Amino acid sequence: GAVVSQHPSRVICKSGTSVKIECRSLDFQATTMFWYRQFPKQSLMLMATSNEGSKATYEQGVEKDKFLINHASLTLSTLTVTSAHPEDSSFYICSAREHISSYNEQFFGPGTRLTVL
Amino acid sequence: SQQGEEDPQALSIQEGENATMNCSYKTSINNLQWYRQNSGRGLVHLILIRSNEREKHSGRLRVTLDTSKKSSSLLITASRAADTASYFCATDKDTGRRALTFGSGTRLQVQP
Repeated sequence: GAVVSQHPSRVICKSGTSVKIECRSLDFQATTMFWYRQFPKQSLMLMATSNEGSKATYEQGVEKDKFLINHASLTLSTLTVTSAHPEDSSFYICSAREHISSYNEQFFGPGTRLTVL
Repeated sequence: SQQGEEDPQALSIQEGENATMNCSYKTSINNLQWYRQNSGRGLVHLILIRSNEREKHSGRLRVTLDTSKKSSSLLITASRAADTASYFCATDKDTGRRALTFGSGTRLQVQP
């Protein structure tokens, strides 16, 4: 089956630093990748849609200058949390949609837990 | 993005019992998917039901979809302690970016 990896799985950083999270589709090409954020005991909230070779589309309330998304290839999207603050601490999950997918089945990465001190 | 509602928010049952979770959504959809999430982990895709389907089975899972009521249910039969997890429904709008909109989730606890 389709596999999506995320790296790192866990990161702890100091306030003010930037953190990059990678999302890779390992055995398929993903035209579109999605980035979600999940706070404890809550559901997933879509942050942005990442399309290969074009600018990401951000959801309302998500600062594009703070959450930089780069989708440089059909298998890799990165999310950079710039000048991280404690309120950015969360579980970040990416998903990838296969290039040829009639039913929009998405495959999720294992998530990255970010803790900002 | 709009969120669907799931009920119950939490469910505790004994091993061997059936667990039923419900999901309601607000917009027209292309399909509805159910996912499972163990604590602090990523999501595992369970089942996808298309908007023109009414019921689907996969092992111990049974999903129904009522598009007139904009609702779906997930039934887990003969539950096991290993089924303990959070379960989310997610809808795929028939237009737009095709991002999934997740329900609020049901936390299922299966007591051994």
